[in-house]
Amino acid sequence: DIQLTQSPSFLSASVGDRVTITCRASQGISSHLAWHQQKPGKAPKLLIYTASTLQSGVPSRFSGSGSGTEFTLTISSLQPEDFATYYCQHLNSYPITFGQGTRLEIK
Amino acid sequence: EVQVVESGGGLVQPGGSLRLSCAASGFTFSTYWMTWVRQAPGKGLEWVASIKKDGSDKKYLDSVKGRFTISRDNAQNSLYLQMNSLRAEDTAVYYCARVGEPSIGDAFDIWGQGTMVTVSS
Repeated sequence: DIQLTQSPSFLSASVGDRVTITCRASQGISSHLAWHQQKPGKAPKLLIYTASTLQSGVPSRFSGSGSGTEFTLTISSLQPEDFATYYCQHLNSYPITFGQGTRLEIK
Repeated sequence: EVQVVESGGGLVQPGGSLRLSCAASGFTFSTYWMTWVRQAPGKGLEWVASIKKDGSDKKYLDSVKGRFTISRDNAQNSLYLQMNSLRAEDTAVYYCARVGEPSIGDAFDIWGQGTMVTVSS
């Protein structure tokens, strides 16, 4: 099974900050990676697919990069509505797995 | 509006059974793979099972193989998860999600609000 490790697991930041979350895969997954955002008590929401393509309707301050085993999600200027938990997910093969999540909180 | 809505969660005793349903609307259900993902209280997301457009191929998480069965009824635009021999560790919110087209890398692009399953005596 492919393991995904996100870092950091917890991040405290301020509105306007630039933040980066890293997702490392235990083996190469090409660009078969997605990022989801989840707010408390809500369903996940797809932000990015194929590692770097922004889902329709997602603000351009979100961006993704990487391929192979190392990936990043960057938020260029944090907005109040961005404080949430972020998960990476691989879609390379079964079983599909998620990273453990990165909780982004307001400093 | 494109949406999926889960139902059928509840409290069940260990060893018991439960059937979850997911009603899809706003898109051509029969042309998409569908999937179930769960989230234990305070924990991360865990993929559970996926089913092909016509139901001819099914994939399962190892820990649910032989206990859970994913199925669909394309005429009713519905997805199901039959859960048998339930264990305390199956306690979670269960989400139904649409598997997007290959053009978006099969990402899970539409999620329901989830239904809570609690396994406890």
